[in-house]
Amino acid sequence: GDSVTQMEGPVTLSEEAFLTINCTYTATGYPSLFWYVQYPGEGLQLLLKATKADDKGSNKGFEATYRKETTSFHLEKGSVQVSDSAVYFCALSDQTGANNLFFGTGTRLTVIP
Amino acid sequence: GAGVSQSPSNKVTEKGKDVELRCDPISGHTALYWYRQSLGQGLEFLIYFQGNSAPDKSGLPSDRFSAERTGGSVSTLTIQRTQQEDSAVYLCASSYPLYNEQFFGPGTRLTVL
Repeated sequence: GDSVTQMEGPVTLSEEAFLTINCTYTATGYPSLFWYVQYPGEGLQLLLKATKADDKGSNKGFEATYRKETTSFHLEKGSVQVSDSAVYFCALSDQTGANNLFFGTGTRLTVIP
Repeated sequence: GAGVSQSPSNKVTEKGKDVELRCDPISGHTALYWYRQSLGQGLEFLIYFQGNSAPDKSGLPSDRFSAERTGGSVSTLTIQRTQQEDSAVYLCASSYPLYNEQFFGPGTRLTVL
């Protein structure tokens, strides 16, 4: 079945450090891939997405590239800020049936000044 | 415009009682999803509604869980004879199917004592 494996946290970085959160997936067919973010006390928000191989999703300085050959969708940011502290979820939808999302376990990021 | 809303935001109940959780999707969104976010299981899909079609109930964990969607808009998730393992944050999301992105509500935190 479809699944997402995400780097376990928590991750603590200093401001302006480089961020990578690893995500790999298992899916039949051609899924769409997503990163969602949950800021403290807030609901899940879509951060970025990619719908086909080699697509790069980007938003707020974050990027992730859909790599079919390695079944990966790693999240990166060149210089994190304190305001990026949140829980990040990698997810996929398989574009069939219910099109529901399969989520990774989430990675808590804390950025310290 | 208004996002997905959920009520109540918090619900504390005693084991064995029934609870109802409500979701108001974004106007015009025909697809509606319920997910559950718990410490042990992460984020998991529960049920999906698309327009007037029969719902996809494949994620419901037991027959104590049921959901309705009236008039293609508001949805109610009902949990009968609640158990302590039902304690979780219940999230609702809606989408316009062509665009694939799911917009999430703030969730209802359910605590079963």
